[in-house]
Amino acid sequence: DAGVIQSPRHEVTEMGQEVTLRCKPISGHNSLFWYRQTMMRGLELLIYFNNNVPIDDSGMPEDRFSAKMPNASFSTLKIQPSEPRDSAVYFCASSPPTLRGNQPQHFGDGTRLSIL
Amino acid sequence: AQKVTQAQTEISVVEKEDVTLDCVYETRDTTYYLFWYKQPPSGELVFLIRRNSFDEQNEISGRYSWNFQKSTSSFNFTITASQVVDSAVYFCALSEGVITGGGNKLTFGTGTQLKVEL
Repeated sequence: DAGVIQSPRHEVTEMGQEVTLRCKPISGHNSLFWYRQTMMRGLELLIYFNNNVPIDDSGMPEDRFSAKMPNASFSTLKIQPSEPRDSAVYFCASSPPTLRGNQPQHFGDGTRLSIL
Repeated sequence: AQKVTQAQTEISVVEKEDVTLDCVYETRDTTYYLFWYKQPPSGELVFLIRRNSFDEQNEISGRYSWNFQKSTSSFNFTITASQVVDSAVYFCALSEGVITGGGNKLTFGTGTQLKVEL
C-alpha cells in the first residue's frame, strides 16, 4: 500500500518566492497534519484537518503561511512570500478514523525546503 | 498544556549493550495517548508504538520494550542487545483526548540521538 506522498522532496528557492508543498494522504485516512522540523524548534505542528476541515491552525507562524485541503486525497501548504527562516523539513502525516482512540500518524518522507 | 520531555540529548553505546531512552510527559487530560517514533539518518519518521492512558501493561516487541508508568508520568523505551541499525533519533510524543471521528495533534519531545557503535 502506498504511504503518504509528499512533493517535492527538495526545494531550493530565493527569498520572496512563493513555495507550494503538496501532500497525498493514505487512502481511507481522514485526518491530515502538517509539521515542520528545525534544529531550533524540533518537530512542531503547523495545522491539521479532520475530514478536510481545518481544526487547529494555531501553529501556523504567520499570514505568509496558508494550507488547504480541497478533497480527501490532496493538501497543499503554501508560503508566500518565503523567507530564509522558513528553511526546514516539512512533514505531512495522515491517520485513519479514530474508531478506538487516537490512531498513529503515518508520515511522508518530508520536503526539505531551503530559502536563500 | 501538554509537554513531553526527553532529557537525554544523545546516547552512545557499543553494539549488544542494552539502552533505555527516557520520556516524561505532562498533561491535564485523563485520556491520552503516547507514541514513540524513530527517525533514521535517511530522515523519515517511523511509527513504533502507541499506548493509551488506561493501559499500563508493558509491551515487548522483539528487542524493543516499553515501560509505561502513570505514577511517574513516564513512558520509557528500552532496546535490548542494540545493533548499529538502531542508530537514529527517537521521539516520544503525546496526543490528548479523543476527538470522535478525527485525529488529534501530536506534541513531540526534542528527541534522543542514539549512536550504536561496533
